[in-house]
Amino acid sequence: EAGVTQFPSHSVIEKGQTVTLRCDPISGHDNLYWYRRVMGKEIKFLLHFVKESKQDESGMPNNRFLAERTGGTYSTLKVQPAELEDSGVYFCASSQEVGVFSYEQYFGPGTRLTVT
Amino acid sequence: AQSVTQLGSHVSVSEGALVLLRCNYSSSVPPYLFWYVQYPNQGLQLLLKYTSAATLVKGINGFEAEFKKSETSFHLTKPSAHMSDAAEYFCAVSRGSTLGRLYFGRGTQLTVWP
Repeated sequence: EAGVTQFPSHSVIEKGQTVTLRCDPISGHDNLYWYRRVMGKEIKFLLHFVKESKQDESGMPNNRFLAERTGGTYSTLKVQPAELEDSGVYFCASSQEVGVFSYEQYFGPGTRLTVT
Repeated sequence: AQSVTQLGSHVSVSEGALVLLRCNYSSSVPPYLFWYVQYPNQGLQLLLKYTSAATLVKGINGFEAEFKKSETSFHLTKPSAHMSDAAEYFCAVSRGSTLGRLYFGRGTQLTVWP
């Protein structure tokens, strides 16, 4: 079974440009999460999808960030326009839910975004 | 509110020595607690989790952690370190469920010396 994959692994862009990160969850996982780790700080939650719906987007820093999950499969996270403080590692995670139980969050390797 | 404090951003031990990584949490509800490990160029991997069952939780690779409510702690231990344990370790808490957002500590980088 393939794990959570993220693309690209690294991205270097200039301030003001647009970047789109992609996450492919484990097949069959309805829950998809985005997290971000700014250098030297903790990993912080950005948002949570259940299928194609945003369950919780309270961690999104501002309206320059747009996440989508069309069709409830892969997800994209777009940053437009990028600012220096957006640099960090963006992690995606997915989990399965069966009835009232849910399972561990499986993480992808992350996308390292550098804004110069 | 939920928060996690990991004491020590870097821990170094000799191979064969005890590993102790500290984690304290605060939670407004009974917490679910997790330890994740990240090896270089890989995603976070779950080591173990506490979900209100046994307070001593055993995980993969010989790691275990004990939930101590009175101390609001969930420290990670391994009796004998191996070179392959060198990685970054993250403690995390969720709001009374395994579903939903995780709150992470800042991580502890473990170095194992031969």
